Amino acid sequence: KNQVEQSPQSLIILEGKNCTLQCNYTVSPFSNLRWYKQDTGRGPVSLTIMTFSENTKSNGRYTATLDADTKQSSLHITASQLSDSASYICVVSDRGSTLGRLYFGRGTQLTVWP
Amino acid sequence: DTGVSQNPRHKITKRGQNVTFRCDPISEHNRLYWYRQTLGQGPEFLTYFQNEAQLEKSRLLSDRFSAERPKGSFSTLEIQRTEQGDSAMYLCASSLIGVSRNNEQFFGPGTRLTVL
Repeated sequence: KNQVEQSPQSLIILEGKNCTLQCNYTVSPFSNLRWYKQDTGRGPVSLTIMTFSENTKSNGRYTATLDADTKQSSLHITASQLSDSASYICVVSDRGSTLGRLYFGRGTQLTVWP
Repeated sequence: DTGVSQNPRHKITKRGQNVTFRCDPISEHNRLYWYRQTLGQGPEFLTYFQNEAQLEKSRLLSDRFSAERPKGSFSTLEIQRTEQGDSAMYLCASSLIGVSRNNEQFFGPGTRLTVL
């Protein structure tokens, strides 16, 4: 069964600190993995997208890694800001799917305190 | 702002009433998706269109739900005889198939439905 599991479920950090969010997936065959940021009451916004051949990608203070062998990904946030408070969702797409359907994790709820 | 808009942003209705949501995708995008998201969960796929054709519907989409994309541009999602369990955020996303193998989907801000 194609699944995407994220940990931790929630995380509280102080402003300026770094944090790492984890994603494990069983989706096969694999096409790409994305991290989305979803502010409360808003739609998800893409942060990074990685294909099978990419093992790291950065977007400002966000750095995503991918290990396709172990089927794990992480999202590292450096020098956190209050505006980073949001849900971070890991999404995996399977290869060759003309549907383009995405498999969503439940998200990690990040709260940044001043 | 991703370029995908949804209206209304919030809808409160009484159980048994019908509601209709609208999604306007990015203009050149040929695929349009509907998702439902409940609190603390990731989005769940409901249905998708390629141009005006509805190509797949999830088993989550009961007979009370119907979606249309009549001219291959905007789409509507109607829920008839709403139930309290329909309370959720309804998300629309669009993508352009054929340009990128990644099929990146751009999400709208969602419509929050509350059924009393």
